[in-house]
Amino acid sequence: AQKVTQAQTEISVVEKEDVTLDCVYETRDTTYYLFWYKQPPSGELVFLIRRNSFDEQNEISGRYSWNFQKSTSSFNFTITASQVVDSAVYFCALGGSGTYKYIFGTGTRLKVLA
Amino acid sequence: EAQVTQNPRYLITVTGKKLTVTCSQNMNHEYMSWYRQDPGLGLRQIYYSMNVEVTDKGDVPEGYKVSRKEKRNFPLILESPSPNQTSLYFCASGSPRGVFGPGTRLTVL
Repeated sequence: AQKVTQAQTEISVVEKEDVTLDCVYETRDTTYYLFWYKQPPSGELVFLIRRNSFDEQNEISGRYSWNFQKSTSSFNFTITASQVVDSAVYFCALGGSGTYKYIFGTGTRLKVLA
Repeated sequence: EAQVTQNPRYLITVTGKKLTVTCSQNMNHEYMSWYRQDPGLGLRQIYYSMNVEVTDKGDVPEGYKVSRKEKRNFPLILESPSPNQTSLYFCASGSPRGVFGPGTRLTVL
């Protein structure tokens, strides 16, 4: 069965601190996709990144970086020098390449305090 | 502009009164999907559609129906809504990366 675990329910940091959001997944698929989405207080879902299972390169996009490790089934998300605008709920998700089912984690609420 | 639209955005209804939440996309995607979001549970997939006339159940399909008669539209039907279907609903288009609609907040009294 597929599963995504985001063990951190809520994290609070002070502005300019670095913060890492954890995501651990389970799947029997050999090819799959991993995603991160942001849900700001306004409620919409904003796509952040997609990673294919065969590509373990870490990715950096501005203050955001992602660490994908198949050996530990983890796809962690780090925000460097956090800002108040980063306050949101962040979801990690898993999708199989051969199926059209997508599994989301329960989300991590990030609060960045000024 | 590429987008997914949902209507209505907010709805308060009563138990048993049939309702339909519409979803439309302008990206010519074959794949569309419905999710519900509940506190502490994240997003859970209700139904998805791989193409016109092809649909399948997600993880929480009970109490819902869908249809896909044309590529751009994928309505979610609640034939007899119950209070446990009070939730925030999202439609998504495209796979593997999904473009999400703005959400529909449904309250069933």
